[in-house]
Amino acid sequence: DAGVIQSPRHEVTEMGQEVTLRCKPISGHDYLFWYRQTMMRGLELLIYFNNNVPIDDSGMPEDRFSAKMPNASFSTLKIQPSEPRDSAVYFCAGTSSQYNEQFFGPGTRLTVL
Amino acid sequence: LAKTTQPISMDSYEGQEVNITCSHNNIATNDYITWYQQFPSQGPRFIIQGYKTKVTNEVASLFIPADRKSSTLSLPRVSLSDTAVYYCLAIKRDTGRRALTFGSGTRLQVQP
Repeated sequence: DAGVIQSPRHEVTEMGQEVTLRCKPISGHDYLFWYRQTMMRGLELLIYFNNNVPIDDSGMPEDRFSAKMPNASFSTLKIQPSEPRDSAVYFCAGTSSQYNEQFFGPGTRLTVL
Repeated sequence: LAKTTQPISMDSYEGQEVNITCSHNNIATNDYITWYQQFPSQGPRFIIQGYKTKVTNEVASLFIPADRKSSTLSLPRVSLSDTAVYYCLAIKRDTGRRALTFGSGTRLQVQP
């Protein structure tokens, strides 16, 4: 298995633009998590899904952020409009009930100018 | 979630054993001590989990005393490639399926 796949790996955009981050979890993992990492705030959960259904989105900063999981093999995190303070590394992670750990992707480094 | 406290940073040399201590005074009865490792430009990676006494795997050992108020992650004979941030979490065993709360972690720098 290729592990969790995230794209793009790097994204540079200008303030006000729409940004879409993508995640393909490991096959068979029915939990999917989106985290954000910054120097100031560390790693923090944004939202997570179980069987494609959002379970907890309390970490989503504001209405500018939205996440979808249309099927078991794909999820997106969208920021519209983007702001400089959204600059961070965004990680996608997945797991299933047979594991006590989460499997993280390589992350997407987002820079909003 | 039980709050954990660990050193901000540690330095070591290749070939040495590194012990990272984590304090978790308010750990709950059904919490497990779990460690993740994060290399630069990568996502965190699970390395070890334990409840009591000692757990060992191919990467590390985890020592948890009887009172479970602290624990020690031991990395035997570190190499340059062990340079990473190490996170200590006190979580329910099934928290693979719940949100993880990461603290600041311990930044380990291994020198040649």
